[in-house]
Amino acid sequence: SQKIEQNSEALNIQEGKTATLTCNYTNYSPAYLQWYRQDPGRGPVFLLLIRENEKEKRKERLKVTFDTTLKQSLFHITASQPADSATYLCALDRFSTGANNLFFGTGTRLTVIP
Amino acid sequence: DGGITQSPKYLFRKEGQNVTLSCEQNLNHDAMYWYRQDPGQGLRLIYYSQIVNDFQKGDIAEGYSVSREKKESFPLTVTSAQKNPTAFYLCATMGQGTGNQPQHFGDGTRLSIL
Repeated sequence: SQKIEQNSEALNIQEGKTATLTCNYTNYSPAYLQWYRQDPGRGPVFLLLIRENEKEKRKERLKVTFDTTLKQSLFHITASQPADSATYLCALDRFSTGANNLFFGTGTRLTVIP
Repeated sequence: DGGITQSPKYLFRKEGQNVTLSCEQNLNHDAMYWYRQDPGQGLRLIYYSQIVNDFQKGDIAEGYSVSREKKESFPLTVTSAQKNPTAFYLCATMGQGTGNQPQHFGDGTRLSIL
């Protein structure tokens, strides 16, 4: 069965630095991978999607990479701000198994220290 | 205002009792999903529905039931057979097309045992 590991349960960084979160997966080859942000007591909010044939995707201060050889996605937040503090989840599709749904990782809780 | 409404926000269940969590959407999305989130764990898929009057089991369907009589509504019943129901429950929708659509989430229902 699919397995997703996100690098660490919690990550603390100084304001202004770049935060890098890792998502590794095994036993599957997704067609695409998504990243979500979740604040305490709220539902996740979609941030970025990257397809298997894309190496990199950017949106404002966010950047996602997708290495299908390493089976890894990296999520970067540049010039981080305290408002970026949240839990970040990666998710991969399971469409090649015939299931129209996503498989989520456990998330990394990011804290940006002023 | 378009979106997904989950109710109630907090719910308490007595031993042996069935409870139903509501999920309503006005995004006109065909696919709807129910997830369970426990502390330190990612989102685990309970049930999903791709079209009215049809639904499929997810990864942890035991002790739960759903119905999809209307496009807008996908209620989840937590039955007495679910021995560990305390969790944060999230409902999501996804728009047309497979493979490259983000999921949209409600703000969850937190279920506890009395």
